[in-house]
Amino acid sequence: AQSVSQHNHHVILSEAASLELGCNYSYGGTVNLFWYVQYPGQHLQLLLKYFSGDPLVKGIKGFEAEFIKSKFSFNLRKPSVQWSDTAEYFCAVNYGGSQGNLIFGKGTKLSVKP
Amino acid sequence: GAGVSQTPSNKVTEKGKYVELRCDPISGHTALYWYRQSLGQGPEFLIYFQGTGAADDSGLPNDRFFAVRPEGSVSTLKIQRTERGDSAVYLCASSLGGVALDTQYFGPGTRLTVL
Repeated sequence: AQSVSQHNHHVILSEAASLELGCNYSYGGTVNLFWYVQYPGQHLQLLLKYFSGDPLVKGIKGFEAEFIKSKFSFNLRKPSVQWSDTAEYFCAVNYGGSQGNLIFGKGTKLSVKP
Repeated sequence: GAGVSQTPSNKVTEKGKYVELRCDPISGHTALYWYRQSLGQGPEFLIYFQGTGAADDSGLPNDRFFAVRPEGSVSTLKIQRTERGDSAVYLCASSLGGVALDTQYFGPGTRLTVL
């Protein structure tokens, strides 16, 4: 079955620390990859997405993600986190692309200490 | 402009009752999705509409769940004979078209509690 795994349930960092959140997906042919973020009290919103081309994708607020096809991974990174990055982060995959249904991971809660 | 809105924001009901959850997508968006998010989980796909028709309802868990979008805009998710396991946040998203290229914009969700 198609699935998405996020390795960390809860990550706690101090401000200015570097961040890497893991995401792996099961093989299923063509994939489109997403990271969504949910800030406290807010809606899910798109952080970045990958469809094709350069496997290093840059998103909003200084986030980036790298698609490594051989590892079925799409890890999210940020060189220096801020307190305002405290949120829950969800990796999502679309298989096939003909329609937009997303399969989400369980999410990783990030807490940044000021 | 206005984002995706969902009503009610919270719904408490008793086991066995019928509930309706409403979603107002962003104006002009032809695609509409329903997801369900249980505690500690990511959103789980339920159904996808392209215009008025349900293009993919493979995520609906059983025949107690049904959704409509009669005029291609507002959608209603209907749950019959609710069970405690139906308790979750029900999320709606819309996008301009229905392909993965189109960003999905999510609403705030309806938190359903079945007692």
